[in-house]
Amino acid sequence: GENVEQHPSTLSVQEGDSAVIKCTYSDSASNYFPWYKQELGKRPQLIIDIRSNVGEKKDQRIAVTLNKTAKHFSLHITETQPEDSAVYFCAASRYNQGGKLIFGQGTELSVKP
Amino acid sequence: NAGVTQTPKFQVLKTGQSMTLQCAQDMNHEYMSWYRQDPGMGLRLIHYSVGAGITDQGEVPNGYNVSRSTTEDFPLRLLSAAPSQTSVYFCASRPGFFDEQFFGPGTRLTVL
Repeated sequence: GENVEQHPSTLSVQEGDSAVIKCTYSDSASNYFPWYKQELGKRPQLIIDIRSNVGEKKDQRIAVTLNKTAKHFSLHITETQPEDSAVYFCAASRYNQGGKLIFGQGTELSVKP
Repeated sequence: NAGVTQTPKFQVLKTGQSMTLQCAQDMNHEYMSWYRQDPGMGLRLIHYSVGAGITDQGEVPNGYNVSRSTTEDFPLRLLSAAPSQTSVYFCASRPGFFDEQFFGPGTRLTVL
């Protein structure tokens, strides 16, 4: 079955720096890759997603890149702000297992003012 | 819309007790899922459903049952609670495969 590995488990950056979180997946047929942000004590919320027919997607300060050959995808956050501090999760899914969205272990991002 | 709702918010059980965690959504979403969240282990998929009458196992299904008799409801049953099932449980739903998944507020379960 699908397995998603996420690194690093913790990441600390200075405000204004960039942050990069990386995930690898095992199922080469996976074709949907969302990223979720979970603030302390709250539920996860979608921040960006990418489909397998796209190599990169941007939304203001966040971007996701996908390398299908290497089976990995990354989240990039530029100009980090203290409110970016949270736990970030990557996930992967393939269409013929429609409801099965498998998550990585999470990355705790801390942005220091 | 209320979105995805879960009851109860907190629950304490004794080992061996059974109970049902309730999940409902009013967005007419076909896909629904149950996850458990433990420190350092991310969100692990317990069971999922792609529509009424259809359920399937996720990564960690042992000790849990689900049913999906209606589009709106997706209850999770703990058959005989064990301390290893102490966790935060999230229900989630989404309209279709490439759509955003919405999470409920979670249920914090402690098994003594």
